[in-house]
Amino acid sequence: EAEVAQSPRYKITEKSQAVAFWCDPISGHATLYWYRQILGQGPELLVQFQDESVVDDSQLPKDRFSAERLKGVDSTLKIQPAELGDSAMYLCASSLVLGSGDGETQYFGPGTRLLVL
Amino acid sequence: RKEVEQDPGPFNVPEGATVAFNCTYSNSASQSFFWYRQDCRKEPKLLMSVYSSGNEDGRFTAQLNRASQYISLLIRDSKLSDSATYLCVVLDSNYQLIWGAGTKLIIKP
Repeated sequence: EAEVAQSPRYKITEKSQAVAFWCDPISGHATLYWYRQILGQGPELLVQFQDESVVDDSQLPKDRFSAERLKGVDSTLKIQPAELGDSAMYLCASSLVLGSGDGETQYFGPGTRLLVL
Repeated sequence: RKEVEQDPGPFNVPEGATVAFNCTYSNSASQSFFWYRQDCRKEPKLLMSVYSSGNEDGRFTAQLNRASQYISLLIRDSKLSDSATYLCVVLDSNYQLIWGAGTKLIIKP
């Protein structure tokens, strides 16, 4: 069964350092999402791509976060500089195409657990 | 008011019992609805989509009530392995996916 790949699985960094997360969606999935999830809360959408274009980054703290999906396949999420409050699980998900019935189903990667010290 | 609301629980339920929980949404033009299951420190996984006519998958039944703007999830003959957090997701009229904070379910032997 095809899966969404994410790396690294765990990351410990000091505040003010830069961190980067990578995601490879399921082959053929046009839509890619980055979420942040704090323990005990639901996932919070940071950015959504349709192919290589950003369709929603309204919740992305753009002063320190950036995301790209240059070739419309894999994606990178970067934080610079990291802050203590950024400690969370960062989840990547993909779906076929948003708004197409079963294509809306999101498949998640295992996540990257970030700890900022 | 949050766009998607869920009772955080936890719901403590004995094994074999039936349990149900709801999820309310504020946007009446919302289009699609889903239940996801998330185990502790794992990623969410789709449990089932929620159709207008309601749908059933084994011990799980999902219902949509558009008039009252909520969806429900019913679990019959609950198993220990059903212990998890159940997340409600709503696709609104702007094609934005709105997630609830989840309901924690604990099945006890």
